[in-house]
Formats: sequence, C-alpha cells, structure tokens
Amino acid sequence: AQKITQTQPGMFVQEKEAVTLDCTYDTSDPSYGLFWYKQPSSGEMIFLIYQGSYDQQNATEGRYSLNFQKARKSANLVISASQLGDSAMYFCAMREGGGNYQLIWGAGTKLIIKP
Amino acid sequence: GAVVSQHPSRVICKSGTSVKIECRSLDFQATTMFWYRQFPKQSLMLMATSNEGSKATYEQGVEKDKFLINHASLTLSTLTVTSAHPEDSSFYICSASRASGKYGYTFGSGTRLTVV
Repeated sequence: AQKITQTQPGMFVQEKEAVTLDCTYDTSDPSYGLFWYKQPSSGEMIFLIYQGSYDQQNATEGRYSLNFQKARKSANLVISASQLGDSAMYFCAMREGGGNYQLIWGAGTKLIIKP
Repeated sequence: GAVVSQHPSRVICKSGTSVKIECRSLDFQATTMFWYRQFPKQSLMLMATSNEGSKATYEQGVEKDKFLINHASLTLSTLTVTSAHPEDSSFYICSASRASGKYGYTFGSGTRLTVV
C-alpha cells in the first residue's frame, strides 16, 4: 500500500497566485516526520519544510507553509505568491520513528508557474 | 549549513566498465548514508542504506554485487557501479543523515550516469 500519496502529477499556476500541493500519508507509528523537497531540473534536492507528528503548530518557512491535518493524515504544502523560480518537481516524504530513519517518498508533483 | 559534496556530477562510461561515485560530507559527520536512484520523471528509489563501518543494507531487488557501497568513514561514502550496462544509466543521489530531527538529511547534488 502507498504510504505517501501525491495525487497531482502536474499543476499549472499563474505567477503570484498561491498554490497548494497535496500529500496524504499512511502510518501507524505515532512518531513520524513529514518533509517537503523541491527538485529543480538541475536535480538537486532542496529541503523546504518539516512537520513533526507531535508539533502543535503548522510549520512555516518563508513563503512555504504546511497545512497539517493529522486526523486526515494530510500534509499539504502551500506556496504563497508563487514565482517563476518555483517551477520544479515537489516531493512529499515521511520518516517513521524507528529504524535507520529512511525516507518514504511520494511520486511527486510537477509544478509549472506561468508568467 | 551542512553540505554533501557529490562527484562526479556527470559521467559517461563504456559498457562493461565500472564507475565510482563519491559523496563527502564537508562539515559534519554522516552516520548514515542513503543512496538513491531516480529515473526520469519518477520519484527517488532507495537503493541502499549504509552506516559508517558496517556493511550496507540493500533494498529488495538491488544487486549488491553490482552496486558496491562503501562507507569507511563518517565523511565519505562511495557507490561503485560495476560492469555498467546501458540499463544502469540513471540519476544517482546520496543523502547523509546527521540526526533524526528536521535537518537530518543533506543531499548531494546528484550524478547523472550514462552508459554507452
């Protein structure tokens, strides 16, 4: 079964608009962490934001915020005031509490910002 | 901030030869290194996890004799693709883990391998 689901293979958004990228997860571990990464065409993985399962507040990092709905097992990424440079692949990933802390990855969403 | 230097960034090799990819953590000790493979327009696929001084743990379906991983020190891990074939052409990326917190993963910049 998919542990991380990103249902939007691709999205087109007008520059300066806000965009929400969906991510749902599945785990029975009470301790877990959720990550969002950006991967531009150059291939590097850029860390955007992190949400811990016990965090009371939704995480925010500049223009990025994470809409964490624990009961729904949802961790959507919100990018405010999108810019052309936001065009990239976006991956949601989860780390469960035990083991080697390996990340479980979603399929990704390709975001294209239109001028 | 933490940096992982990955080299080479691009390599073209002939079929049957071996290629070594290095990931070096520049300013921290990487207790665990993750090696991923990524096909075009797909997500990252974990190949193996290596802890310093221990044998790597390979994911199901990954040939350990073909993809040799060495993590001899806390700052260096290598992936050697032995007897490469065109189907090994892919993007390979490493990720070093420092801790279990939110800054626990630092990625290398990736290596694009083309086998001709």
